[in-house]
Parts: sequence; structure tokens; C-alpha cells
Amino acid sequence: KNQVEQSPQSLIILEGKNCTLQCNYTVSPFSNLRWYKQDTGRGPVSLTIMTFSENTKSNGRYTATLDADTKQSSLHITASQLSDSASYICVVSAGGGTYKYIFGTGTRLKVLA
Amino acid sequence: GAGVSQSPSNKVTEKGKDVELRCDPISGHTALYWYRQSLGQGLEFLIYFQGNSAPDKSGLPSDRFSAERTGGSVSTLTIQRTQQEDSAVYLCASSLRHLIGRNEQYFGPGTRLTVT
Repeated sequence: KNQVEQSPQSLIILEGKNCTLQCNYTVSPFSNLRWYKQDTGRGPVSLTIMTFSENTKSNGRYTATLDADTKQSSLHITASQLSDSASYICVVSAGGGTYKYIFGTGTRLKVLA
Repeated sequence: GAGVSQSPSNKVTEKGKDVELRCDPISGHTALYWYRQSLGQGLEFLIYFQGNSAPDKSGLPSDRFSAERTGGSVSTLTIQRTQQEDSAVYLCASSLRHLIGRNEQYFGPGTRLTVT
């Protein structure tokens, strides 16, 4: 069964600190993996997208890594800001001619001053 | 340019009533998706439209749910005889065209539906 699991479920950190969010998936065949940021009351906004041949992708203070062998991805946030408080969702797209997206349940990040 | 818009932003309805949710995709986007996001759950795929092709309705949870896309643009999601378990945020997304999952999806702000 295609699944995407994220950890931790929630995280609280102090402003200026770094953090890493995890995503494990069992989607096969794999097409690509995306990380989204979802602010409260808003729709998700894309941060990064990686195919199986890409190991890392950065977007400002956000850096995503992908290990296609172990089927794991991480999102590292550097020098966190209050505005980083949001849910971060890992989404895996299945290949093989299907367009289906499998969404994780997200990690809720709270950055405190 | 304008992003994906959805209306209403919030809807409270009584159990058994019908509701219509609207999505205006980004102009020129041929692919349109509806998702449901329940509290503490990941996004659940409902239905997908691509151009003039027949929509993929495989994610609709019951025959009380239906969706239309008129003129390849605006879409409405209709829920008949609403039940309390239908309470969720309904998100719409559009993309320029579908390329086996590679295209960027742009999400609307969602409609929060509460069935009392």
C-alpha cells in the first residue's frame, strides 16, 4: 500500500534554531517528492520538488534531502523564524503512468520567540 | 496574477442539507483537483479534471459527492444530504497541465465545511 509517514507529528523550537523534519514513504513506482508549507487557514505552498536522481534541493533556508534507496526524505530549516510556524507536508507522486499524489499527515512546527 | 480562489471560505450547514463549493482555478490551467483535509489527516484525493477528458472520480467517498467543471474553468463540488463526517476543509488545486505528477500544483485557501 502506498503510504507517506512523517515525523515528528509536532515540534516546538526557539527562534533562530535549526530543525529537521522526516518523511518515509513506501510509494512505488516513485516519481517525485515534494515538500509543502501550509500556514493555518491557507492552502499548501510548494517548497521543493525532487526526482529520484536528486539528493538535495534548497529553497532559501529550507533544504530537502532525498535517499531513494531507503525511501527517506528530510526537510532542514536553518535559523528558524516566527513565520516558519506552519504545517509541513511531504507529498510523493507515484509513477507508472498515474498522476496520483500521496500526502503525509504533516509535521506541525511552532517557532517561539 | 491571481491564484486559485475558493468560495465560500467557511460554510456551516445542517445535517441533511446540500452544499455547493466553488473553485476558480488559475487562468489557463487545464488540470484541476479537489481534495479533502480532515483534522489530523493528510489530504485525501477526491476528483481530478484534465481538459476535456472525462474526470477521474475514483476518490469520491460516496454517491452524495459530485463535481462539475464548466467550460474548462470554474468547478463546483456538490455534497448532497450532508453528514457530520463530511465536516472538513475542502481544497482545490490547479496546474498548467498534467505531466504524470511533475507539474506544480497551486492550491486555493480552502472551504471549511462544518455540518451540525
